[in-house]
Amino acid sequence: EVQLVESGGSVVQPGGSLRLSCAASGFIFGNYWMHWVRQAPGKGLVWVARINSDESNTIYADSVKGRFTISRDNAKNTLYLQMNSLRAEDTAVYYCARAEVSWYGYWGQGTLVTVSS
Amino acid sequence: SYELTQPPSVSVSPGQTASITCSGDKLGDKYACWYQQKPGQSPVVVIYQDSKRPSGIPERFSGSNSGNTATLTISGTQAMDEADYYCQAWDSSTYVFGTGTKVTVL
Repeated sequence: EVQLVESGGSVVQPGGSLRLSCAASGFIFGNYWMHWVRQAPGKGLVWVARINSDESNTIYADSVKGRFTISRDNAKNTLYLQMNSLRAEDTAVYYCARAEVSWYGYWGQGTLVTVSS
Repeated sequence: SYELTQPPSVSVSPGQTASITCSGDKLGDKYACWYQQKPGQSPVVVIYQDSKRPSGIPERFSGSNSGNTATLTISGTQAMDEADYYCQAWDSSTYVFGTGTKVTVL
């Protein structure tokens, strides 16, 4: 059974940093591109970042470029999102998602990040 | 930046057909997919690659994509279909979600 389990969400002050993790199981993690998607409270889904299978290529939404870094450890079956210089508008549930050819076949349950003083 | 626009809400009577549109520049040149999200749950894909239905998704869900508009159609809508629906466009560097549509089954 494919499982994606996010962790690391918490309350952080503006300007602070946080690292999210997504533990994958039930499939060959290193074979898949992975993404982070976020959803602010009561709002819609927003794509955040994507990483390819061997970590050689990453791409970011303009709103997080230069502040967030997506990475992965295929030996540990884990996806990461390092978030720096956090702002109030980064408050959201963050989901990791497994990319199929052109859609997300599996999503995690999400982890809540709250940026507040 | 690329944008996808959906109607904020669609209302439908049980057993009737609901159609949700997703508009974007030359959207028909990209792959579109659709997600269903119920309150407190993670999204679930209901249509991928414009019109394909994943295993386990009922046949009443169908999709199309041409020109500047992708459309999700729910035929014979059931109460369990009440949810938020999001389109998404994919190409080599575009991973944009639509604004979302709340489907209410009256």
